[in-house]
Amino acid sequence: QSALTQPASVSGSPGQSITISCTGTSSDVGGYNYVSWYQQYPGKAPKFMIYDVSKRPSGVSNRFSGSKSGNTASLTISGLQAEDEADYYCSSYTSSSTWVFGGGTKLTVL
Amino acid sequence: EVQLVQSGAEVKKPGESLRISCKGSEYSFTSYWISWVRQMPGKGLEWMGRIDPSDSYTKYSPSFQGHVTISADKSISTAYLQWSSLKASDTAMYYCARHWNGDSSDWFDPWGQGTLVTVSS
Repeated sequence: QSALTQPASVSGSPGQSITISCTGTSSDVGGYNYVSWYQQYPGKAPKFMIYDVSKRPSGVSNRFSGSKSGNTASLTISGLQAEDEADYYCSSYTSSSTWVFGGGTKLTVL
Repeated sequence: EVQLVQSGAEVKKPGESLRISCKGSEYSFTSYWISWVRQMPGKGLEWMGRIDPSDSYTKYSPSFQGHVTISADKSISTAYLQWSSLKASDTAMYYCARHWNGDSSDWFDPWGQGTLVTVSS
């Protein structure tokens, strides 16, 4: 089972917007609206940021948003802040009733 | 506050067995699944499998099927991940996460603090 494809790194300046893509297949990302996103700081456990493609749990800043088109999901962070610098992972349910994560994207705030 | 608290770091030798734990609190333990996730040093997250504590039904990733066993004791709100014979390649951080899949919704939250397993001769 292959990991979902994410860019290894993205960067942006404070105040800018960035988008992280997460590409799968019709058997995972494209087939279900069960894509979620997680933020992970070095040495820390992942934190839940987006679920069901575009829903935001309570307590997560509205600067974070999610979307999906075909087999590719995206996480957009607007108004970048220094505290957003972290690793980000997408996850999707699959047609095998399993779950798969993306390879992770390191976000650098310049 | 809903919490998952994992057991402490382990250092083992190849061939040894190990069981690590994940205890849930402040929620109905049998109303959510528990998933286990591996993170090898400097690498990404890998979903290993999940258990429904209400009936102990398990589902494994093909990559981990046969290599680990996931179990749960609902009487003490605790899930387990175990190995019968560790390999050096099992060295990693292991996270448990409360997993909701229902009502057209799916997510992992919260996550345990992680258990570092080091396998070395």
